Amino acid sequence: QVTLRESGPALVKPTQTLTLTCTFSGFSLNTSNLCVSWIRQSPGKALEWLARIDWNDDKYFSTSLKTRVTISKDTSKNQVVLTVTNMDPVDTATYYCARTPRDSSGWYWFDYWGQGTLVTVSS
Amino acid sequence: SYELTQPPSVSVSPGQTATIPCSGNKLGDKYASWYLQKPGQSPVLVIYLDSQRPSGIPERFSGSNSGNTATLTISGTQATDEADYYCQAWDRSTAIFGGGTRLTVL
Repeated sequence: QVTLRESGPALVKPTQTLTLTCTFSGFSLNTSNLCVSWIRQSPGKALEWLARIDWNDDKYFSTSLKTRVTISKDTSKNQVVLTVTNMDPVDTATYYCARTPRDSSGWYWFDYWGQGTLVTVSS
Repeated sequence: SYELTQPPSVSVSPGQTATIPCSGNKLGDKYASWYLQKPGQSPVLVIYLDSQRPSGIPERFSGSNSGNTATLTISGTQATDEADYYCQAWDRSTAIFGGGTRLTVL
């Protein structure tokens, strides 16, 4: 059974750095063609992809956020960590992590999602 | 930057067929995925690789993709299918989501 769970602060101040942890079970990031992505959703808005880390430690980032976002994994703990620097009220959103499998042609999708964690940016 | 466009809303009567389009430049050259999201819940994958259904997704959900448009079709729509639907594709190693379509079953 695949599960993912996001954890981190519910409230951060403007200019602070946000650190979120995705703890997962039912799969391993040591397995070829498995990846984990972070996706967020501002209240009442559409989904927005932030970053992806692959089984081989390759990393990919949203063009608009790549200067502020980092992603890392700890395969021994089954965790993926996302950091977002210089947080602003517009970054208020529910942040999701999602398992991201890759097929033999190199295409990806998001098949299992965490419950999400709401992060509010306010002083 | 690459964009995916969806109509904000689609309405359908129970038992009828709902069609939700997603348009993007040469989208047919990429693979599209579809996700449904009910209020207060996480998104759920309903279609991947244009037309593949994950296990547990009813057969009434189907997908296609050609030219500039990917389409999610829900046959025999049920009240429980009322949700927001998002299309998604990858462009240059970046995931792009459409703006979402609210499906209303009335």
